[in-house]
Amino acid sequence: KAGVTQTPRYLIKTRGQQVTLSCSPISGHRSVSWYQQTPGQGLQFLFEYFSETQRNKGNFPGRFSGRQFSNSRSEMNVSTLELGDSALYLCASSLMATSGANVLTFGAGSRLTVL
Amino acid sequence: GQQLNQSPQSMFIQEGEDVSMNCTSSSIFNTWLWYKQDPGEGPVLLIALYKAGELTSNGRLTAQFGITRKDSFLNISASIPSDVGIYFCAGLPGGNTPLVFGKGTRLSVIA
Repeated sequence: KAGVTQTPRYLIKTRGQQVTLSCSPISGHRSVSWYQQTPGQGLQFLFEYFSETQRNKGNFPGRFSGRQFSNSRSEMNVSTLELGDSALYLCASSLMATSGANVLTFGAGSRLTVL
Repeated sequence: GQQLNQSPQSMFIQEGEDVSMNCTSSSIFNTWLWYKQDPGEGPVLLIALYKAGELTSNGRLTAQFGITRKDSFLNISASIPSDVGIYFCAGLPGGNTPLVFGKGTRLSVIA
């Protein structure tokens, strides 16, 4: 059973550009969550999608957005990149929405560097 | 919002020693999870705890869901070099609220 797949694994952008990250959840999983990981702040919740609907959103500016497709694949977009957006972006999937006792399975992450 | 205080931040131990780390919060959680992250990888689930007072083992790892539902600990016995990594606690508050993570404990094992 394939795990959570994130692409690209590494990318470098410059300030002001925008970036799109992709996540393919485990087959059958309908919930996808995104987290930003930085050395100082740990894992910060970005948003969660379930059945193409955003269920939860973390405390991030509107430059961060996401969506989920009918096949449960998800993308997140960051526009007008800032230096502080440099981080590891982790996607995690679960069978049902995380309000139930369903644990998250993480992908390996997309490491974004903003120059 | 809910916050998890994870300690210690980092640990340096000798191979063969036992390790203990914990997470505390001022809020109640319905589920506690412990993850481990290796360099360049995403966190991997080690142990899930669903009931207050629950004590669960996974090989050399043992975790407990605190009776007050506001804390959890993870013990690793007889550490080995491959235990190196960052350990995260995570709590699920219940309701329509996402998983909350501690800031991690970085474990280094000296052979």
